[in-house]
Amino acid sequence: GAGVSQSPSNKVTEKGKDVELRCDPISGHTALYWYRQRLGQGLEFLIYFQGNSAPDKSGLPSDRFSAERTGESVSTLTIQRTQQEDSAVYLCASSPGTVPEAFFGQGTRLTVV
Amino acid sequence: RKEVEQDPGPFNVPEGATVAFNCTYSNSASQSFFWYRQDCRKEPKLLMSVYSSGNEDGRFTAQLNRASQYISLLIRDSKLSDSATYLCVVKGFTSGTYKYIFGTGTRLKVLA
Repeated sequence: GAGVSQSPSNKVTEKGKDVELRCDPISGHTALYWYRQRLGQGLEFLIYFQGNSAPDKSGLPSDRFSAERTGESVSTLTIQRTQQEDSAVYLCASSPGTVPEAFFGQGTRLTVV
Repeated sequence: RKEVEQDPGPFNVPEGATVAFNCTYSNSASQSFFWYRQDCRKEPKLLMSVYSSGNEDGRFTAQLNRASQYISLLIRDSKLSDSATYLCVVKGFTSGTYKYIFGTGTRLKVLA
């Protein structure tokens, strides 16, 4: 497909379990962002990847959160020992270097029970 | 102070009305500015970029005032389908990297 693809679209997990969320950016987009959106709230920056540069992890809320990206392809966001406050929609966006706009995937709705 | 501030609304307007949203940002080094639209339980989608000279796309007009660090969006002849949350987004270099900083959004409801 031509857009940003995220999987799974929905994930229900038990408190304390680890989860892995996946993002396939638009082909050729060098920048990739992860955001979190809690119900009724705005987007909260988590992490940013730009090409092969060191990622900006300044938005990760705790050391339970980590993310990886191989080159300019797929990224995975991992949340270890999930807590109920981790319940949110996790949105991935990618952006090419040629235009400033970012394009979002449909998100993964994570529910921790 | 939040980096990007918006009035959360909701703005309830009748069909055909003109409505304006405002947004302020705190980082004077911000470089790019956007309005995104987010429908309920959907991802944000780019509505329009905002340029210093102001720009128009059909019923939508966006303006940027760098001196006042202020962005606006004007919607003319509102349609029911315009009901959504409008996100003000600023891209700038902060803490060593470029980031998109989102406002919390302004909710618009267009009433029949």
